[in-house]
Amino acid sequence: NAGVTQTPKFRVLKTGQSMTLLCAQDMNHEYMYWYRQDPGMGLRLIHYSVGEGTTAKGEVPDGYNVSRLKKQNFLLGLESAAPSQTSVYFCASSMGQGATDTQYFGPGTRLTVL
Amino acid sequence: ILNVEQSPQSLHVQEGDSTNFTCSFPSSNFYALHWYRWETAKSPEALFVMTLNGDEKKKGRISATLNTKEGYSYLYIKGSQPEDSATYLCAFIDDYKLSFGAGTTVTVRA
Repeated sequence: NAGVTQTPKFRVLKTGQSMTLLCAQDMNHEYMYWYRQDPGMGLRLIHYSVGEGTTAKGEVPDGYNVSRLKKQNFLLGLESAAPSQTSVYFCASSMGQGATDTQYFGPGTRLTVL
Repeated sequence: ILNVEQSPQSLHVQEGDSTNFTCSFPSSNFYALHWYRWETAKSPEALFVMTLNGDEKKKGRISATLNTKEGYSYLYIKGSQPEDSATYLCAFIDDYKLSFGAGTTVTVRA
């Protein structure tokens, strides 16, 4: 049982390059989330999905796009990377979106944009 | 966007000592407070979900209390061990989504 996995673990991009981060979960969870973690700040929600084929904007969606073509996968895309997108990106999933539903996190992707 | 604050930002504890730190959150429209533990190079893991005023949860040497009327939660570590070194995150439910604090990083010195 792998839980939540993220690919890749590390990446260095040049400004203007594009990339896609892949998140996969094997817990049959409906809800998936992408966060970014920056020093001195809490995890901030970028986009989330409440089910296959659906996506919604979170707190900091600008510069990112997402897709949820399969229930188990949630992709985060950067079309034209900027140095401000240097961060650690975490994917999470949960069974529901209720107040007590626990989110399960992946190991993170450390992205540096030069 | 709700303001969830954690203090202190970091603390150093001698092995065997006990410690505690705070999570402050808006006291209106409370649904639940989550605590997560995040060790370096690992995924954040859920510790507690707290819903009722006066709630107290315990897992081993770690416990948490909740005061929804004044908007704070304390997390306690009793008899700290090096394996307790981690960043502890609290998160408040806002519009069905978690709003995270910046965390308290605990370093336990042997």
